Amino acid sequence: GAVVSQHPSRVICKSGTSVKIECRSLDFQATTMFWYRQFPKQSLMLMATSNEGSKATYEQGVEKDKFLINHASLTLSTLTVTSAHPEDSSFYICSARRLRRGWADTQYFGPGTRLTVL
Amino acid sequence: AQSVTQLDSQVPVFEEAPVELRCNYSSSVSVYLFWYVQYPNQGLQLLLKYLSGSTLVKGINGFEAEFNKSQTSFHLRKPSVHISDTAEYFCAVQEGGATNKLIFGTGTLLAVQP
Repeated sequence: GAVVSQHPSRVICKSGTSVKIECRSLDFQATTMFWYRQFPKQSLMLMATSNEGSKATYEQGVEKDKFLINHASLTLSTLTVTSAHPEDSSFYICSARRLRRGWADTQYFGPGTRLTVL
Repeated sequence: AQSVTQLDSQVPVFEEAPVELRCNYSSSVSVYLFWYVQYPNQGLQLLLKYLSGSTLVKGINGFEAEFNKSQTSFHLRKPSVHISDTAEYFCAVQEGGATNKLIFGTGTLLAVQP
């Protein structure tokens, strides 16, 4: 199977601090990783798409300078929430996709990271 | 633009009864369709997917879905549910080709009662 991990699973931080969330594909190389945000009892909203070695593509309304994404290798992408505020509290989920035979493969999701900003 | 509609926000059902979770999509191009399940405080797990070929797709945990192009639907079904099937179910669409984004529906909470 294709396994994606996230670390940490849960983080509580003070307002104004920065938090880094890691997303790793454990048994495959991910050419593309996605970051989603999920509010309680709501669907997933795509925040950004990151391709290894290039800049992330952010969805409309997502602040690039606040949500820094780095996809430094084919198995690791990081999301840094800078100067976090209580409204940034949410469930952040990453997914990873490999490209096979010229067509898009399935996205495999990480277990999510619960961020609480006090 | 693509969109996904899950009309039922919650579906209560008794254990061992059959269930259908509805999903309709809109897209001007060919699409890939997915159903994911999310248990509380967890990420998403792929239940099944339709890429091409047979319109009846079988997935894990006894679930199946049927792609109906004329009705632009991809309803999820299970003939007999268990308490452990209680979870949030998301339908998603992805445009065909080497792109990218999954567009999710708003989710349906399947609440299985004893």
